[in-house]
Amino acid sequence: NAGVTQTPKFQVLKTGQSMTLQCAQDMNHEYMSWYRQDPGMGLRLIHYSVGAGITDQGEVPNGYNVSRSTTEDFPLRLLSAAPSQTSVYFCASSTYYGQGARETQYFGPGTRLLVL
Amino acid sequence: EDKVVQSPLSLVVHEGDTVTLNCSYEVTNFRSLLWYKQEKKAPTFLFMLTSSGIEKKSGRLSSILDKKELFSILNITATQTGDSAVYLCAGHNSGTYKYIFGTGTRLKVLA
Repeated sequence: NAGVTQTPKFQVLKTGQSMTLQCAQDMNHEYMSWYRQDPGMGLRLIHYSVGAGITDQGEVPNGYNVSRSTTEDFPLRLLSAAPSQTSVYFCASSTYYGQGARETQYFGPGTRLLVL
Repeated sequence: EDKVVQSPLSLVVHEGDTVTLNCSYEVTNFRSLLWYKQEKKAPTFLFMLTSSGIEKKSGRLSSILDKKELFSILNITATQTGDSAVYLCAGHNSGTYKYIFGTGTRLKVLA
């Protein structure tokens, strides 16, 4: 049972490049989400999903796309990287029972992204 | 707009001290409040609170929720240097399914 895994751990991009941050969980959790964490800003929600085929925007969705084709995977795509997207990205998952998550979110180890 | 505010922003104490961290929230369709500890990596779960007045305890850490006054506190007794971390709280909105995080309290415990 690996929990929530993220790849890569660290990435450097040039402005304008695109890339996909991978997130997978093996706990059969319905709810998955992506956050970015910047100094002094706490965790801000980018996108989330309550099940395969269902995604929605969080607080800061611009510049990012997501899809959820399987329960296990929830990749985050940066369409055209900008220096403002330099951050630490966390993926998280939890169970969901139709009235919202019933259990705590489990976080992946994070991806540190630097956009030059 | 949903909001979670933590105080103080940072705190420096000596080993053995007791600390109280505060978290106030304005979250529509509020379902639960979560506390996390974050050292240098990902946040790790501490507590989930859904009912007012029921204290949750884990060793030297305890937490309680007041749904009338819309706040929660996290207490750490007999602090140790290993308690040094950022402590995050998050409110869960069951209507939007979102977790709203505060900016955290940075605790430093000196030996």
